[in-house]
Amino acid sequence: KAGVTQTPRYLIKTRGQQVTLSCSPISGHRSVSWYQQTPGQGLQFLFEYFSETQRNKGNFPGRFSGRQFSNSRSEMNVSTLELGDSALYLCASSSGGARVGTEAFFGQGTRLTVV
Amino acid sequence: LAKTTQPISMDSYEGQEVNITCSHNNIATNDYITWYQQFPSQGPRFIIQGYKTKVTNEVASLFIPADRKSSTLSLPRVSLSDTAVYYCLVGDENTGGFKTIFGAGTRLFVKA
Repeated sequence: KAGVTQTPRYLIKTRGQQVTLSCSPISGHRSVSWYQQTPGQGLQFLFEYFSETQRNKGNFPGRFSGRQFSNSRSEMNVSTLELGDSALYLCASSSGGARVGTEAFFGQGTRLTVV
Repeated sequence: LAKTTQPISMDSYEGQEVNITCSHNNIATNDYITWYQQFPSQGPRFIIQGYKTKVTNEVASLFIPADRKSSTLSLPRVSLSDTAVYYCLVGDENTGGFKTIFGAGTRLFVKA
């Protein structure tokens, strides 16, 4: 069973640009969550998508957005990049059932560097 | 919002048993307790999950007292490769959804 795939693995962007990151969840999983990880702030929840609908959202500015497609693949977009957006962006997939605490499977992440 | 508190770091030696305790005073009735392990530049990896009493799998045990306000992850006979950050989290109950809140984690350093 293939794991969670995130592309690209590494990305360098310039301040003010926008970026799109992609996540392919485990086959059959309908929930995809996104996280930002930085040395100073740790792992922070961005948002969760389930069956193409944003179900939960963290405390990030509107520059951070996402979407999920009918095949459960998800993308997140960051517009008007700032230096502070440099981070490891992680995607996690789960079956997304109603039971809280469902095990999530994480991808390797996309390392975004904003210069 | 169920928040967790765990030690920032712990040191151990190879072959020892390591117990990492996490407190979650505001855990909700439907919340499960889940532990993840993370190595540098990798995504977190699920270790174990439980609701109450004791859960054991091939890598760890999880002890949860009756009041569920804390939990203890037990790693038997650690090795150097167990050096990682360990996160304790509780499922954040949210209508129709699931939102995982990670705390700061416990950085475990296993020495030879």
